[in-house]
Amino acid sequence: GNSVTQMEGPVTLSEEAFLTINCTYTATGYPSLFWYVQYPGEGLQLLLKATKADDKGSNKGFEATYRKETTSFHLEKGSVQVSDSAVYFCALSALRGTGNQFYFGTGTSLTVIP
Amino acid sequence: KAGVTQTPRYLIKTRGQQVTLSCSPISGHRSVSWYQQTPGQGLQFLFEYFSETQRNKGNFPGRFSGRQFSNSRSEMNVSTLELGDSALYLCASSLDLGRANTEAFFGQGTRLTVV
Repeated sequence: GNSVTQMEGPVTLSEEAFLTINCTYTATGYPSLFWYVQYPGEGLQLLLKATKADDKGSNKGFEATYRKETTSFHLEKGSVQVSDSAVYFCALSALRGTGNQFYFGTGTSLTVIP
Repeated sequence: KAGVTQTPRYLIKTRGQQVTLSCSPISGHRSVSWYQQTPGQGLQFLFEYFSETQRNKGNFPGRFSGRQFSNSRSEMNVSTLELGDSALYLCASSLDLGRANTEAFFGQGTRLTVV
């Protein structure tokens, strides 16, 4: 079956620290991988995506590489800011029937302190 | 262009009542999915509609139902509400989730509280 496992939170970092949030997946077929971010009281916003092996998604200083050999899609940022405080969700999209379905990890809460 | 719009943003209902939530997708998007988000279970898939047809359904009881109209707007209904139905209900729209690389765009959600 399809599933996503991401590192437990919460994560607390100082401003300008390096961020890694681990994400591994199990999937049948060839999924696409995504990172979504959720700010308090809001819905999910797409942060980045990768659609095939070795693709690197990037946005706003965040990066993640689709690693098929390790079934991973770890999120990284070299220098976090207070405004990056949010909950981050790793997700995969895989075919199911005639449509697709997203499978989400449990989310990792990040707090960045000045 | 306008994003995904969900109404209402907040709702308080009593056990046993029913509720209808609405979702207007991004213009041109024909696929609408619904998710339930709770602190304990995370994001759980409810169902997906495409061109007024339900294409996929998650593992929720029959009290949860939905539909999609010809303009792609979607509604979900929960009958005989239980306390455990309290959650943030998120709607997501996509051009066509029949393609694996298509991202979903989420609304801000409807916060349902059952008392």
